Amino acid sequence: DVKVTQSSRYLVKRTGEKVFLECVQDMDHENMFWYRQDPGLGLRLIYFSYDVKMKEKGDIPEGYSVSREKKERFSLILESASTNQTSMYLCASSSEVLGLHYGYTFGSGTRLTVV
Amino acid sequence: GQNIDQPTEMTATEGAIVQINCTYQTSGFNGLFWYQQHAGEAPTFLSYNVLDGLEEKGRFSSFLSRSKGYSYLLLKELQMKDSASYLCAVADSNYQLIWGAGTKLIIKP
Repeated sequence: DVKVTQSSRYLVKRTGEKVFLECVQDMDHENMFWYRQDPGLGLRLIYFSYDVKMKEKGDIPEGYSVSREKKERFSLILESASTNQTSMYLCASSSEVLGLHYGYTFGSGTRLTVV
Repeated sequence: GQNIDQPTEMTATEGAIVQINCTYQTSGFNGLFWYQQHAGEAPTFLSYNVLDGLEEKGRFSSFLSRSKGYSYLLLKELQMKDSASYLCAVADSNYQLIWGAGTKLIIKP
């Protein structure tokens, strides 16, 4: 069964801490994405990557950075966590070869609370 | 701007049929997705429509009208496990997904 795995299900961090969220996929997908999901809002794209060492800003990149050193791994970094970054973070991947017909595959999410 | 609209919440009865609507205004169109998301879990892919018409997958069907900027997800023979949020998303001209806020579907016995 194909999988996108996020390293932590729940995280509690203090304001100002540097936070790393890890995502690994085993489907050999080219595309990887980081979203945040907040009540009453649609998924909002933070960053995405179409290839190793490649990254593109999404709609809300401020306060975040990413790293993709290997095809299967896409990391989201909160440089200095703030309370307004308390949210559910979802990682997703998709195949450039197969296209959109198979959609995106999501990880189970990391619920981050910044106190 | 780009916008996806869907009802916030709907209630239906076990065994019945429910239709969840989605209207969109986007810069370009490269297909519309429906995802199901149970509380606290990852969204899971249900359907992808890029041409007008109805596509059926078991108890779930998805309809698209590109000229009207409109889609619906039809769920038949509702089961309690169908209680979830249903997310509508459109791929725009840059193939980026624009997401609606989701429709929370409550199934009552």
